[in-house]
Amino acid sequence: EMQVVESGGGLVQPGGSLRLSCAASGFTFSTSWMNWVRQVPGKGLVWVSRINNDGSSTRYADSVKGRFTVSRDNAKNTLYLQMNNLRAEDTALYYCARDNLDYYGMDVWGQGTTVTVSS
Amino acid sequence: QSALTQPASVSGSPGQSITISCTGTSSDVGTYDLVSWYQQHPGKAPKLLIYEGRKRPSGVSNRFSGSKSGYTASLTISGLQAEDEADYYCCSYAGSSSPYVFGSGTKVAVL
Repeated sequence: EMQVVESGGGLVQPGGSLRLSCAASGFTFSTSWMNWVRQVPGKGLVWVSRINNDGSSTRYADSVKGRFTVSRDNAKNTLYLQMNNLRAEDTALYYCARDNLDYYGMDVWGQGTTVTVSS
Repeated sequence: QSALTQPASVSGSPGQSITISCTGTSSDVGTYDLVSWYQQHPGKAPKLLIYEGRKRPSGVSNRFSGSKSGYTASLTISGLQAEDEADYYCCSYAGSSSPYVFGSGTKVAVL
């Protein structure tokens, strides 16, 4: 079964840092492009970041550019999101999602990890 | 990138058909035939229903269908069932710099 499991969320003060992880299994992680998507409780989905299969290309939403860094370790089948200078508006449930290999669509999603930015 | 525009809510009776619209711009829906649709039940992760505008992944019911005209994509649910009550999101490719933009979401109620 293809799955991804996010971890690393928690409570952090404004200006602080946090690193999220996403462990993949059941598919060939090293050939998969991956995304981070977030959702404020009760609100909609927002795309955050994308990384290609070997980590050589990354993309970010304007709202996190310069503060968040996406990376991956294909040997560990793990995706990361380093979040620095966190703001209250970064509070959300963060999902890891796989881009299907053959088409544009995110076909494998985790259950998410919650990030709360508050003093 | 601004969120694609969806109606906040749509409702229908069991067995009926409903359609959810998703309006974008020339930077996304209007240029690319790469709209996907997701279903999200409360407390659950999103599930891919439609990709590339009208194609269904294996295992998705054929009661779900997609289309596009101009700057607006649409998701139609036919033979509405109680289990279809959920939130639905469209998502469009928007170019290599900022590849994805989601819609604002639509809550579907089965009366």
